Amino acid sequence: AQSVTQLGSHVSVSEGALVLLRCNYSSSVPPYLFWYVQYPNQGLQLLLKYTSAATLVKGINGFEAEFKKSETSFHLTKPSAHMSDAAEYFCAVSENYGQNFVFGPGTRLSVLP
Amino acid sequence: KAGVTQTPRYLIKTRGQQVTLSCSPISGHRSVSWYQQTPGQGLQFLFEYFSETQRNKGNFPGRFSGRQFSNSRSEMNVSTLELGDSALYLCASSPGGQPRETQYFGPGTRLLVL
Repeated sequence: AQSVTQLGSHVSVSEGALVLLRCNYSSSVPPYLFWYVQYPNQGLQLLLKYTSAATLVKGINGFEAEFKKSETSFHLTKPSAHMSDAAEYFCAVSENYGQNFVFGPGTRLSVLP
Repeated sequence: KAGVTQTPRYLIKTRGQQVTLSCSPISGHRSVSWYQQTPGQGLQFLFEYFSETQRNKGNFPGRFSGRQFSNSRSEMNVSTLELGDSALYLCASSPGGQPRETQYFGPGTRLLVL
């Protein structure tokens, strides 16, 4: 079974600083990878996804992620953090049949003024 | 298009009772998946329905069950509730249920078991 790890359960950055949220997956075949964001008391919202096209994927709100097969990584970045980015971020991998996402444990992002 | 809707949003039950949660997918979406979210276990896949058939099932006991209707609306049922069933239950839908498709999530139903 596939698994997803996210290094750092809590990450704090200053407003305007670089955001880097790490995601590593285990898969023997190229997977489909997703980043979702969850604001308090809300569901999950898609930020971006990798589906074997370009390895650098751009998403909403200035976020992007790079798929690196050799490192089995799909780290999420944003050049300049904004206060509104404070939320929990989840990396997910899709199994090869149907809709069955395996989620990482999540990283809570705090943005300090 | 309207997003995924879930009812009720909040629910309080006592141990031993049963509960039914409802999910209405985005219009035209045929796949509905359910997830349980807890602080300790994170987001865990419960099951997926596609065209009224359960296609995938996660590692949960048989107390957790679901179904999908011909209009793609889905319900999940938990019988004989336990304290550990307290969680946020999220429903997600996608058009064709393919692995590469985005899942669109509803706001969730927060269940508290006392």
